[in-house]
Amino acid sequence: EVQLLESGGGLVQPGGSLRLSCAASGFTFSSYAMSWVRQAPGKGLEWVSAISGSGGSTYYADSVKGRFTISRDNSKNTLYLQMNSLRAEDTAVYYCAKVILEWLVLCAFDIWGQGTMVTVSS
Amino acid sequence: EIVLTQSPGTLSLSPGERATLSCRASQSVSSSYLAWYQQKPGQAPRLLIYGASSRATGIPDRFSGSGSGTDFTLTISRLEPEDFAVYYCQQYGSSQITFGQGTRLEIK
Repeated sequence: EVQLLESGGGLVQPGGSLRLSCAASGFTFSSYAMSWVRQAPGKGLEWVSAISGSGGSTYYADSVKGRFTISRDNSKNTLYLQMNSLRAEDTAVYYCAKVILEWLVLCAFDIWGQGTMVTVSS
Repeated sequence: EIVLTQSPGTLSLSPGERATLSCRASQSVSSSYLAWYQQKPGQAPRLLIYGASSRATGIPDRFSGSGSGTDFTLTISRLEPEDFAVYYCQQYGSSQITFGQGTRLEIK
């Protein structure tokens, strides 16, 4: 079964840092680009960042550029999101998501994790 | 950044009726790189349609997508009770992926 499992969320103070992880199973992880998508409480979906299957190409939303870093370890089938200089507006459920087409980095997402909550508050 | 505007914001219909949801882009979406998702409370989104009109695996054929350029439509031919949820469109044809604000489909 194809599965994504996020971890690492929690409560952090403004200006703090957090690293999210997403463990993948059931598919050839290195063949697919991955993304992080977030959803603030009661709000819509916001794409955060994407990374190619090899890890050689990365993309970021303007709202997180320079503060967040996406990476992956294909030997561990794990995706990461390092979040620095966190702000209250970063409070959201963070989902990792797998693209549906192997040859696209920016694509539709056919598999989503259950999400991990990040709360930025003093 | 391509802005996606969904309409209506809320759609009230009865089971068995036809639902038509709209997604309009602020500029042309290249290669019809447009997807639709369904989200129920407390759940992750579920991919319905990608490439504007291709159904994802396991999606019933009552769901269909159409459109190109800046205007896209998701149609649910006959609403089932489990179809009442929030629907989002997403474009992936530019260097920044964007989502629409969502359409809430509620039972009338």
